[in-house]
Amino acid sequence: QVQLVQSGAELKRPGSSVKVSCKASGGTFRGYTISWVRQAPGQGLEWMGRIIPIDGTRNYAQKFQGRMTITADKSTGTAYMELGSLRSEDTAIFYCARAPASKDGFDIWGQGTMVTVSS
Amino acid sequence: DIQMTQSPSSLSASVGDRVTITCRASQRISILLNWYQQKPGKAPKLLIYAASSLQSGVPSRFSGSGYGTDFTLTISSLQPEDSATYYCQQSDSSPTFGQGTRLEIK
Repeated sequence: QVQLVQSGAELKRPGSSVKVSCKASGGTFRGYTISWVRQAPGQGLEWMGRIIPIDGTRNYAQKFQGRMTITADKSTGTAYMELGSLRSEDTAIFYCARAPASKDGFDIWGQGTMVTVSS
Repeated sequence: DIQMTQSPSSLSASVGDRVTITCRASQRISILLNWYQQKPGKAPKLLIYAASSLQSGVPSRFSGSGYGTDFTLTISSLQPEDSATYYCQQSDSSPTFGQGTRLEIK
């Protein structure tokens, strides 16, 4: 059974960037999509963007376009999310989540990575 | 973007009750609607995909229905472990989530 294992919590200064990893443990990405979902403290879920690791196709939510980059390393089965120009409002838990295809539900989720932006 | 609106935003029910949560899309999305359960401090868990298909391992008291713009999640007999926040999500285009429904057990 594939698990998604994310990197640990981060503390960042405003204006800096953060890079979070998501490794597929016990399997590979195959043809699946990997999305990134943000959840601010006490708030709901917000989809940020996704990648199809097998071919590198990427889509971003308009809100994050230009400030976010999603990449994937097929050889290690690891996806990455980098978010730049951080501000305090970016303080959140970031989840990676797998979907078998772009129009499917997210059937496997990482454990989440807490990113705190504070001076 | 397709907007998803859930109702109610919160509810309280007793063990054994039948509970229904609704989700409305701002435009037609066929059956491309999924439901998640999230407990405090945990990642969301997929319950229902494609509007009415039960994800493997999810208890059969959970069911989903709907097509187009209006969808429902039903818990047929509420259990204590169902206390959680529930989210709908459309997967027709760039995914969007509803704002969530917090379910409390009386």
